Amino acid sequence: DTGVSQNPRHKITKRGQNVTFRCDPISEHNRLYWYRQTLGQGPEFLTYFQNEAQLEKSRLLSDRFSAERPKGSFSTLEIQRTEQGDSAMYLCASSPRTSGYQETQYFGPGTRLLVL
Amino acid sequence: DAKTTQPPSMDCAEGRAANLPCNHSTISGNEYVYWYRQIHSQGPQYIIHGLKNNETNEMASLIITEDRKSSTLILPHATLRDTAVYYCIVRVANGKLTFGQGTILTVHP
Repeated sequence: DTGVSQNPRHKITKRGQNVTFRCDPISEHNRLYWYRQTLGQGPEFLTYFQNEAQLEKSRLLSDRFSAERPKGSFSTLEIQRTEQGDSAMYLCASSPRTSGYQETQYFGPGTRLLVL
Repeated sequence: DAKTTQPPSMDCAEGRAANLPCNHSTISGNEYVYWYRQIHSQGPQYIIHGLKNNETNEMASLIITEDRKSSTLILPHATLRDTAVYYCIVRVANGKLTFGQGTILTVHP
């Protein structure tokens, strides 16, 4: 068990550019979550997948954001036409959620995005 | 999910017990109390969770009052590496986590 991994760890981009982040969950974890954290705040939920199905999206996830988990393993989060307000830490978490199980989410180290 | 209230900051001497309180007066019968912590620039780390009984693991103990309206996370022998933001989260058994502001715990020598 190598834990949740995220790449890249840091990304600097110019306003208007597109960026894509990747999350590799813990092996056989069927739930995968994305959160965003701005400076001084707690993480905020963006979206989550159970296997390849995207089950919930936050209103924070504007049309410029899209997330995929094509084979139920790794996931990508893309931000199109980045804005300075997108600067944040993007966190991924996974969990081995099964029916009736008290779910525990395990977080990756995050990708820190800076939009200039 | 029920709202939680935590003190914004606390201090603790190294080697002493750190007791972090959390109020969750509107908790529902099917909601659990979860604790996570976040060390600077890292992802949140799961610590412990419970429903109504006290819980203990290798990291901490969780004491939940009988009426379940408040709880205390206990780090029995705090070290400098325990300096972090501690989040108390009340939620149903699964689904998204709703983080508040948390408590900044500073452990000093």
